[in-house]
Amino acid sequence: DAKTTQPPSMDCAEGRAANLPCNHSTISGNEYVYWYRQIHSQGPQYIIHGLKNNETNEMASLIITEDRKSSTLILPHATLRDTAVYYCIVRRNSGNTPLVFGKGTRLSVIA
Amino acid sequence: DAGVTQSPTHLIKTRGQQVTLRCSPKSGHDTVSWYQQALGQGPQFIFQYYEEEERQRGNFPDRFSGHQFPNYSSELNVNALLLGDSALYLCASSPRGARNSPLHFGNGTRLTVT
Repeated sequence: DAKTTQPPSMDCAEGRAANLPCNHSTISGNEYVYWYRQIHSQGPQYIIHGLKNNETNEMASLIITEDRKSSTLILPHATLRDTAVYYCIVRRNSGNTPLVFGKGTRLSVIA
Repeated sequence: DAGVTQSPTHLIKTRGQQVTLRCSPKSGHDTVSWYQQALGQGPQFIFQYYEEEERQRGNFPDRFSGHQFPNYSSELNVNALLLGDSALYLCASSPRGARNSPLHFGNGTRLTVT
């Protein structure tokens, strides 16, 4: 079973920041937080991952709380192309550990 | 640089038949994993291959089998197809030696069993 809890759906106005929350209260010290998204009819796309420090790349920012029990993915300026299902996944820091997906959050960006 | 490629993109089979799906990993990747995604659900891990052997397996019956070739490409075989095998089958690749390397996914094969 997935070790994360996400809201089933969210809306965001185009051009505004999209903040997607994720709870992972049972995360272990050696587990990373990963975010993927899946646009309709495509495979999951890697977005970002982190252990305990905040991370930023060209796609998004990842904010992890100090106790590591929750995190937020931030898309700074959402566009219509960001409409997708977003998956938050915790993954053990050990070789090629498989990803365990939940149902994710369906983000709808509205013009 | 080509990413993960899968073939075919769509497939229709009849219950009881057998199917083979194919995957070429991203350049530089030697580990291939397969996932099944039913409609409205997240992907579920089937198994993982590297060095031409199955290394990890999820909760799937023996009807699901695979193979990895010396060039790292892989096949997923499903025997005695059931209606419930209808799903999107995703292949993902990664470099085994790199810790916490993200998996890169292909766009999948949509299998319909009638």
